[in-house]
Amino acid sequence: GQNIDQPTEMTATEGAIVQINCTYQTSGFNGLFWYQQHAGEAPTFLSYNVLDGLEEKGRFSSFLSRSKGYSYLLLKELQMKDSASYLCAVRGSDQAGTALIFGKGTTLSVSS
Amino acid sequence: GAVVSQHPSRVICKSGTSVKIECRSLDFQATTMFWYRQFPKQSLMLMATSNEGSKATYEQGVEKDKFLINHASLTLSTLTVTSAHPEDSSFYICSARDSDAQPQHFGDGTRLSIL
Repeated sequence: GQNIDQPTEMTATEGAIVQINCTYQTSGFNGLFWYQQHAGEAPTFLSYNVLDGLEEKGRFSSFLSRSKGYSYLLLKELQMKDSASYLCAVRGSDQAGTALIFGKGTTLSVSS
Repeated sequence: GAVVSQHPSRVICKSGTSVKIECRSLDFQATTMFWYRQFPKQSLMLMATSNEGSKATYEQGVEKDKFLINHASLTLSTLTVTSAHPEDSSFYICSARDSDAQPQHFGDGTRLSIL
């Protein structure tokens, strides 16, 4: 079966660094995605990993280890606006009709 | 970048009403679009995969006769919630991908409230 796990909630303070972990067990693998979702809004794309290693994109970085079925999203220099839900999602194959399977999301609360 | 437009953004209607939600890819052609549903404080659950020119593929537990999907062109998919009831109240989101190498892009979502 498919299983994607991430912590339910995390808290941090402005200016800090936070790491959100995601572990997955899927029948296939063709990429791991991180999305940010503010309450009541649609998800917005943050990052994509298909090979092992770290992808850096400004204040956000994402890491993947395929052998461990593990990824993390690293957020640096936290700002209040980073308070949101962060969704880890896996695509099981490279076929065009393959949807993303989402984890339950991690709600991040940033305080001053 | 790729843009997906979803309409309407919010619907409030009486029980028994049928509601149509449109999902358009504005600057690319999408042979495949995806429909998700999200209940409060829960993750996105895939409902169905919409295929241009053919029948949609529904996930287990999703009633195809209740959630009608039509993908008549490469830029438009519609989801019709037929005879909606209060338990169908949810946030419905569509997404599309313009090529295999690209991430899925989401519409803004439709918040459906059935009274």
